[in-house]
Amino acid sequence: DIQLTQSPSFLSASVGDRVTVTCRASQGISTDLAWYQQKPGEAPKLLIYSASTLQGGVSSRFSGSGSGTEFTLTINSLQPEDFATYYCQQLNYLPLTFGGGTKVEIK
Amino acid sequence: QVQLVESGGGVVQPGRSLRLSCAGSGFTFRSFAIHWVRQAPGRGLEWVAVISSDGTGKQFADSVKGRFTISRDDSKATVSLQMNSLTVEDTAVYYCARYTGYYGFDYWGQGTLVTVSS
Repeated sequence: DIQLTQSPSFLSASVGDRVTVTCRASQGISTDLAWYQQKPGEAPKLLIYSASTLQGGVSSRFSGSGSGTEFTLTINSLQPEDFATYYCQQLNYLPLTFGGGTKVEIK
Repeated sequence: QVQLVESGGGVVQPGRSLRLSCAGSGFTFRSFAIHWVRQAPGRGLEWVAVISSDGTGKQFADSVKGRFTISRDDSKATVSLQMNSLTVEDTAVYYCARYTGYYGFDYWGQGTLVTVSS
């Protein structure tokens, strides 16, 4: 199985900050990676697919990059509604594993 | 609009069975593979199972293999997850999600809580 390691697992930031989350895959997955946002009590929401393509309706504050084994999610100018947990997911091989999550909290 | 709705969760004793359903609407259900993902309380997301769009392909996580089965009824736009020999480690919110191939899971249900407890 492909393991995805997210870092950090927790980060504290202020409104207006730029934050970066990293996802590392245990083997190459090309750009077959998605990012999700999950708020407490809600289902995950697709933000980015194919490593860097923004899902329709998602704010352009979010961006993704990377290929192979290293990927990043960047949130520019963090807004109050962005405080949530973020997960990466590889879509290359079954099982479609998720990273452990990164919780973004208000400083 | 596209919608997925899970049902069938509840409290069950260890060793017993439960059947979850995922009902889709607002899209051509038979054209999409459907996945199940679960989330134990306070934990991250764990992929559980998938059924292909034509129902012939089925895969399961090692943690549920041999205990869970998956099926679909496109006439009712429904996917079912039959869970047998449940253990406390199966306690989680179970989500179904629509799979768009390499584009990820674009729609998710609201989740249904399964609690395995004596």
